[in-house]
Amino acid sequence: GESVGLHLPTLSVQEGDNSIINCAYSNSASDYFIWYKQESGKGPQFIIDIRSNMDKRQGQRVTVLLNKTVKHLSLQIAATQPGDSAVYFCAVLTGGSYIPTFGRGTSLIVHP
Amino acid sequence: EAGVTQFPSHSVIEKGQTVTLRCDPISGHDNLYWYRRVMGKEIKFLLHFVKESKQDESGMPNNRFLAERTGGTYSTLKVQPAELEDSGVYFCASSQTSPERPQYFGPGTRLLVL
Repeated sequence: GESVGLHLPTLSVQEGDNSIINCAYSNSASDYFIWYKQESGKGPQFIIDIRSNMDKRQGQRVTVLLNKTVKHLSLQIAATQPGDSAVYFCAVLTGGSYIPTFGRGTSLIVHP
Repeated sequence: EAGVTQFPSHSVIEKGQTVTLRCDPISGHDNLYWYRRVMGKEIKFLLHFVKESKQDESGMPNNRFLAERTGGTYSTLKVQPAELEDSGVYFCASSQTSPERPQYFGPGTRLLVL
């Protein structure tokens, strides 16, 4: 089965810095990837997604990079703000399945 | 557009009691999912509805859990009788038809079984 891991359980950054959150997956057939943000007391909130036919996708202040060769996914947040403090999850889907496999999450702490 | 809503937001019950959680998906989303997150661990899949049909219930832990989605709109998840290990946060999510569509999550129900 699929396994999904995050490289760091906690990431601390200073306000204004860029943040990079990483995720590794195990199944080379995985073809759809999603990043979620979960603030305290709330449910996961969709941030950005990417399909396997792309290697980069940009949103507002966020960029997702996909390296299928090494099965690695990253979320880059530019000019990190205190409101970005949350737990970030990657979710990986494979072969037309509707059911994602989630990583445990990286807690991003932004210091003012 | 209203998001996914869940009720109640919190529930504290005693072992052996029954609890029913409700989820209202985003209007027009045929796919509805239930997940559970136990503290410190990853989000785990419980089951998937397509309209009123159970598409995949492979994640349901045992027969104390019963999910329904009558009419293909809102869904309920009943735990009867509740055990201590059922404590956690239960999330509902919904999505449009296609596996390559993001799932949108509700705020979750925090269940504590004492």
